[in-house]
Amino acid sequence: NAGVTQTPKFRVLKTGQSMTLLCAQDMNHEYMYWYRQDPGMGLRLIHYSVGEGTTAKGEVPDGYNVSRLKKQNFLLGLESAAPSQTSVYFCASKGSSYEQYFGPGTRLTVT
Amino acid sequence: KQEVTQIPAALSVPEGENLVLNCSFTDSAIYNLQWFRQDPGKGLTSLLLIQSSQREQTSGRLNASLDKSSGRSTLYIAASQPGDSATYLCARRGRGGADGLTFGKGTHLIIQP
Repeated sequence: NAGVTQTPKFRVLKTGQSMTLLCAQDMNHEYMYWYRQDPGMGLRLIHYSVGEGTTAKGEVPDGYNVSRLKKQNFLLGLESAAPSQTSVYFCASKGSSYEQYFGPGTRLTVT
Repeated sequence: KQEVTQIPAALSVPEGENLVLNCSFTDSAIYNLQWFRQDPGKGLTSLLLIQSSQREQTSGRLNASLDKSSGRSTLYIAASQPGDSATYLCARRGRGGADGLTFGKGTHLIIQP
């Protein structure tokens, strides 16, 4: 049972480069979320989705885009990476049980 | 703005002690509150979830309580073990919509052997 998986685990980008982070869940959950975690701060919500084909902004959406073309996948895109986007990114999903289940995270460094 | 505060930020205790981690939140219109454990360099593991209609939840040596009127939740760890060393995070979900969780900054717990 894989649960929530994230690809890649680590990535280093130069300022201005673009990339996509992939989140996949095999629990048939409707809701999916992207968070970022920075030192000295709690996790903050970037974007979320309440179902296939839907997306919505969270607390810190600027500089990111998302897509949910398939129910099991939630993609987070950075069109032009900035050093301020250096962070650890976590994906989570939620079904009818109200609990959110988290992936292992992607550590992104932007130089 | 909804805020979640965790006190203390760090705690070091000898093995075998019972301990309490505190979480406070500013908005009493809470839907549920979830406690997580995070090991260094790892993701979050859900420990306990308390719905707004509940007062406490128990799992093994862990007990979490929720007092909406005072805006507080506590995580009680009985008979602590070195393997309990980790960062503990609490997060609230507010009412309305499918918005995500609002997290505290965590309590870094060290259990001394």
